[in-house]
Amino acid sequence: EIVLTQSPATLSLSPGERATLSCRASQTVRSYLAWYQQKPGQAPRLLIYDASNRATGIAARFSGSGSGTDFTLTISSLEPEDFAVYYCQQRDNWPWTFGQGTKVEIK
Amino acid sequence: QVQLVESGGGLVKPGGSLRLSCAASGFSFSDYYISWIRQAPGKGLEWVSYISSGSSYTNYADSVKGRFTISRDNAKNSLFLEMNSLRDEDTAVYYCATGLAAAGTLEYWGQGTLVTVSS
Repeated sequence: EIVLTQSPATLSLSPGERATLSCRASQTVRSYLAWYQQKPGQAPRLLIYDASNRATGIAARFSGSGSGTDFTLTISSLEPEDFAVYYCQQRDNWPWTFGQGTKVEIK
Repeated sequence: QVQLVESGGGLVKPGGSLRLSCAASGFSFSDYYISWIRQAPGKGLEWVSYISSGSSYTNYADSVKGRFTISRDNAKNSLFLEMNSLRDEDTAVYYCATGLAAAGTLEYWGQGTLVTVSS
């Protein structure tokens, strides 16, 4: 099973700041990595798929990069609605797996 | 618009059974893979199972293999999860989710249904 390790566990930032979230895979997942945002009481929402493609309707301040084992989600300037938990997920090998999540909280 | 609505959750005793349903609308259900994902209270996400568009392919997490069965009825735009021999650790919100772009990318999610396994 491919293990995805996200860092940091918690990111404390202010609105307007840049957020950089990391996801490292235990073996290559090529570019088959997605990022999701989840707010309390809600289902996750797809932000980025295949490492760098924004999903439909996702704001341009969200961007993804990386390939192989190291991936990054960047939020260029945090808006109040961006404070949430973010998960990475791979679909290269079954079982498709998620990282443990990074919580972006207001500083 | 794409809509997924889960139902069937509830309280069940350890060793018991439950059948979850997911009603789909707003897209050509029979053309796409669809999955069950779960989230234990306060925890992260776990992919439980997926099924291919024509039901030819299914796959399960090791944690549920042999106890859970995924199925679909394309004529009724519905997805199911039959859960047997339930354990405390199966307690979670269960989501159905699908991706129109690729089988393992989840663009659309239901609101989830809570399954509580407790004596």
